[in-house]
Amino acid sequence: AQKITQTQPGMFVQEKEAVTLDCTYDTSDPSYGLFWYKQPSSGEMIFLIYQGSYDQQNATEGRYSLNFQKARKSANLVISASQLGDSAMYFCAMREGSRDNFNKFYFGSGTKLNVKP
Amino acid sequence: GAVVSQHPSRVICKSGTSVKIECRSLDFQATTMFWYRQFPKQSLMLMATSNEGSKATYEQGVEKDKFLINHASLTLSTLTVTSAHPEDSSFYICSARVTGAGTRFYEQYFGPGTRLTVT
Repeated sequence: AQKITQTQPGMFVQEKEAVTLDCTYDTSDPSYGLFWYKQPSSGEMIFLIYQGSYDQQNATEGRYSLNFQKARKSANLVISASQLGDSAMYFCAMREGSRDNFNKFYFGSGTKLNVKP
Repeated sequence: GAVVSQHPSRVICKSGTSVKIECRSLDFQATTMFWYRQFPKQSLMLMATSNEGSKATYEQGVEKDKFLINHASLTLSTLTVTSAHPEDSSFYICSARVTGAGTRFYEQYFGPGTRLTVT
């Protein structure tokens, strides 16, 4: 089974509007971490936001927030006030295990976000 | 934030030759680095985990004799693609785990990637 599922291969959003990128995950490990990365056309992976499985509150980092619904195993990324520079590929990722077990990252297939002026 | 560099950014080589890709942590020490490959329009797949001073751990299906990894210092890991073939053409990305006082335990930073084309 897929560990990370991103069902939106492509999304369009109008500049200054908010957009939600979907991510669901599958794990039986009670301890895990969820990540979102942005990959512009240059190829570099840019860390956006992190949510730990035991975190009580949804993570926020500036215009990025993570809508963490543990029972539904979803970790959707919300980008508020979209900017043209937000156009990129977005990857959801998961790391299983304890905080010291920093081995395998499972990445989703990505969502291509296009911000329209 | 922490910076991870890769060199070269692009390389074109002939089939049968070997190519070395360097991954450096520029302003921090990284005991653990990771190597990924990404085919066009696809996701990143972990190839191996590189540990300073010990042998790398390879993911299932990755040929360790073909993809040689050396983590000789706390700031440098290298990936050598031996006897490269056109099917090895891909985008190779390294990442490094940030550790130490003041860092968030989950921090991991990615290099800018190396695009390998084998002709």
